[in-house]
Amino acid sequence: AQRVTQPEKLLSVFKGAPVELKCNYSYSGSPELFWYVQYSRQRLQLLLRHISRESIKGFTADLNKGETSFHLKKPFAQEEDSAMYYCALKFTGTYKYIFGTGTRLKVLA
Amino acid sequence: GAGVSQSPSNKVTEKGKDVELRCDPISGHTALYWYRQSLGQGLEFLIYFQGNSAPDKSGLPSDRFSAERTGGSVSTLTIQRTQQEDSAVYLCASSLRSSGGFITDTQYFGPGTRLTVL
Repeated sequence: AQRVTQPEKLLSVFKGAPVELKCNYSYSGSPELFWYVQYSRQRLQLLLRHISRESIKGFTADLNKGETSFHLKKPFAQEEDSAMYYCALKFTGTYKYIFGTGTRLKVLA
Repeated sequence: GAGVSQSPSNKVTEKGKDVELRCDPISGHTALYWYRQSLGQGLEFLIYFQGNSAPDKSGLPSDRFSAERTGGSVSTLTIQRTQQEDSAVYLCASSLRSSGGFITDTQYFGPGTRLTVL
């Protein structure tokens, strides 16, 4: 069955420390993966997508097909990174997405 | 320009009543999605509409849930005979499909409707 797993509900790190938000997926096709972020009192918004191989706000995510993972990483966390992060998988050739349960990142001063 | 809007922002209803939630997507966006966001459950896909194609209703949890999209724009999610487990934030999103080879599939989310069933 298709599934996106984010094993951590809450991740707390100190400012300046590296952060890694884990995402694993189960999908029989060729996956298209995304990270969405929701800051406090703001709307859910796209952070980055694997196909673009981009770095947004210092975050990167590499698709590892062997490990079926798409972990989100940032070398030096900032307080403004505190938010809810969702990993999402888009079904190939459709507009259907499945999201993980989300990880709340708290960056401590 | 204006983003995705949803109304009402909050809805409190009694168990057994019907509710209608409205979504106004970004003008010109051909795809429209409904999700349910429950505490500890993340985002649960409900339904999506793409242009004039038949909607994908595979995520609707029961036949009490239905949605329609009129004129390829505004969408209404209807929940009949509401139950307490329907309490959640209902999110709508829209996206634009480009005419080129690369599908522009960034979803733009609305602020959500918080539904509370007493």
